Amino acid sequence: EAQVTQNPRYLITVTGKKLTVTCSQNMNHEYMSWYRQDPGLGLRQIYYSMNVEVTDKGDVPEGYKVSRKEKRNFPLILESPSPNQTSLYFCASKAGGFGYGYTFGSGTRLTVV
Amino acid sequence: KQEVTQIPAALSVPEGENLVLNCSFTDSAIYNLQWFRQDPGKGLTSLLLIQSSQREQTSGRLNASLDKSSGRSTLYIAASQPGDSATYLCAVTLANAGGTSYGKLTFGQGTILTVHP
Repeated sequence: EAQVTQNPRYLITVTGKKLTVTCSQNMNHEYMSWYRQDPGLGLRQIYYSMNVEVTDKGDVPEGYKVSRKEKRNFPLILESPSPNQTSLYFCASKAGGFGYGYTFGSGTRLTVV
Repeated sequence: KQEVTQIPAALSVPEGENLVLNCSFTDSAIYNLQWFRQDPGKGLTSLLLIQSSQREQTSGRLNASLDKSSGRSTLYIAASQPGDSATYLCAVTLANAGGTSYGKLTFGQGTILTVHP
């Protein structure tokens, strides 16, 4: 089944403890992206990648890192999480070209205490 | 900067009604536009994708139209059902100067739809 897989689905952590949220897609998509969703603010892009080793900042990149060493994986790293990073995170991927839309993962609900 | 607005913010209708959700965007140089559905606490499910050169797309009871020049898209849902209750999100991808895309989606705030029996 074609899908975007995020892990973990739920995570509670403490301030300052480094964490990684994994994202993997099995569709050989070029584009991958991370979004966070917050009440009243909607979905905002954190980082995106147009292909292996090509990444760039989205609208809210502060406090996050990403890497794209393989086409299928696009992990999101929080080096020193803070409570304002408590959010619902989504990974998404798409193929290149006009006719292709994004496929989203099921989301990771992160709570930083 | 691209801004996407969805109207109304919330809509409650009786089962069986036909309804229209509206999406407007400020920059008409879009690559494509995508409509999503999101159930509470869940991920996003893609409903329809309209390429910049297209005027509309249809899938079952759903029809989405695109008017680039006026910066508008509508999602038409025919014969609504309680199972259609969800948040509907519109998202656009801008085209870059080369006519391709960096792949960034800009989302509207969504329309919360409730269809009651």
